[in-house]
Amino acid sequence: EVQLVESGGGLVQPGRSLKLSCAASGFTFSDYNMAWVRQAPKKGLEWVATISYDGSSTYYRDSVKGRFTISRDNAKSTLYLQMDSLRSEDTATYYCARRAGPFDYWGQGVMVTVSS
Amino acid sequence: IQMTQSPSLLSASVGDRVTLSCKAGQNINNYLAWYQQKLGEAPKLLIYNANSLQTGIPSRFSGSGSGTDFTLTISSLQPEDVATYFCQQYNSWTTFGAGTKLELK
Repeated sequence: EVQLVESGGGLVQPGRSLKLSCAASGFTFSDYNMAWVRQAPKKGLEWVATISYDGSSTYYRDSVKGRFTISRDNAKSTLYLQMDSLRSEDTATYYCARRAGPFDYWGQGVMVTVSS
Repeated sequence: IQMTQSPSLLSASVGDRVTLSCKAGQNINNYLAWYQQKLGEAPKLLIYNANSLQTGIPSRFSGSGSGTDFTLTISSLQPEDVATYFCQQYNSWTTFGAGTKLELK
């Protein structure tokens, strides 16, 4: 059974950093591109970043370029999102998702609140 | 690519045939997915490539359309189908629609 379990969320002040993790199991992690998708409270879904299966390529939405870094450790079957210079508009539930064209499996999500 | 969903809110009765619409700002070559999100849960993939049913999804869900106009149909609405439904294009980068909230009448 495919499982994706996020961790690392919480309350953080504007301008500070936070690192999210996503532990994957039930499939060969190194075979798949992976992504982070976020959802602000009572809002829609917004793609954040994607990383290729081997980590060689990364892609970001414009609003997080230069502030967020997606990475992966295939030996540990874990996906990461380093978030620096956080802003109030980054407040959201962050989901990791397996990218197979569409996002075919999602984690349960982790809440990030940016507030002073 | 902008994705426009309609209606934003839909009320229907158990057993009704329900149709949700999603329009893309340009041709997306059928790289269109539909997701169901129940309150407090993660999204779940229902349909991919416009009309392919994801494994494990009930056959009352179906997708159709091509080019820029797409439809998700629930043939006979069940109480457990109450949720918000999002469409997503993955032809060029990826973008989601704003969602259709489906409630029981």
